[in-house]
Amino acid sequence: DVKVTQSSRYLVKRTGEKVFLECVQDMDHENMFWYRQDPGLGLRLIYFSYDVKMKEKGDIPEGYSVSREKKERFSLILESASTNQTSMYLCASRPGGTGSTGELFFGEGSRLTVL
Amino acid sequence: TQLLEQSPQFLSIQEGENLTVYCNSSSVFSSLQWYRQEPGEGPVLLVTVVTGGEVKKLKRLTFQFGDARKDSSLHITAAQPGDTGLYLCAGANTGNQFYFGTGTSLTVIP
Repeated sequence: DVKVTQSSRYLVKRTGEKVFLECVQDMDHENMFWYRQDPGLGLRLIYFSYDVKMKEKGDIPEGYSVSREKKERFSLILESASTNQTSMYLCASRPGGTGSTGELFFGEGSRLTVL
Repeated sequence: TQLLEQSPQFLSIQEGENLTVYCNSSSVFSSLQWYRQEPGEGPVLLVTVVTGGEVKKLKRLTFQFGDARKDSSLHITAAQPGDTGLYLCAGANTGNQFYFGTGTSLTVIP
């Protein structure tokens, strides 16, 4: 079975803290994505990666950075967490190269609360 | 950003009723996907449509891609409590980037 694993289901952090959200996939997929999900706004793309050490900005990259040192792992970093980053964060992976339109496989999500 | 609006945002119906969820945009998409997300889980793909006017059926669910590839609909016949969840459409542009809709939260009451 396809598996995307997010390291933390629930996190509570304070304003200004550095936050790491980890995502690992076991399907050897080239493409990995980080979305945030907020009620009434659907899923918004933060960053994505088509290959190791490669990253591209999505629609809302401000306040976030990412790291992809290994093919199976894609990390989302909040350098200085703010209250408006309280949200559900979803990691996804997808097979194929840059032209792939295949299925997105999602993790279970990480709910972050910033106080 | 290519905006995808879904309607209605919330829907609560009795078991056995029919319903339709709409996904609309002013942008043309090369393909469109529908996902369902249950509480505490990530979204799971239901279907992909790629041709304008295409209709796909998945048991009691019928998906249609608009002729102009700007909109889509999901129709559920005789809804069951197991259909409860958040339904999300996602459109792919020519660069194969997926843009998600605003979501429709469906509750089917036994």
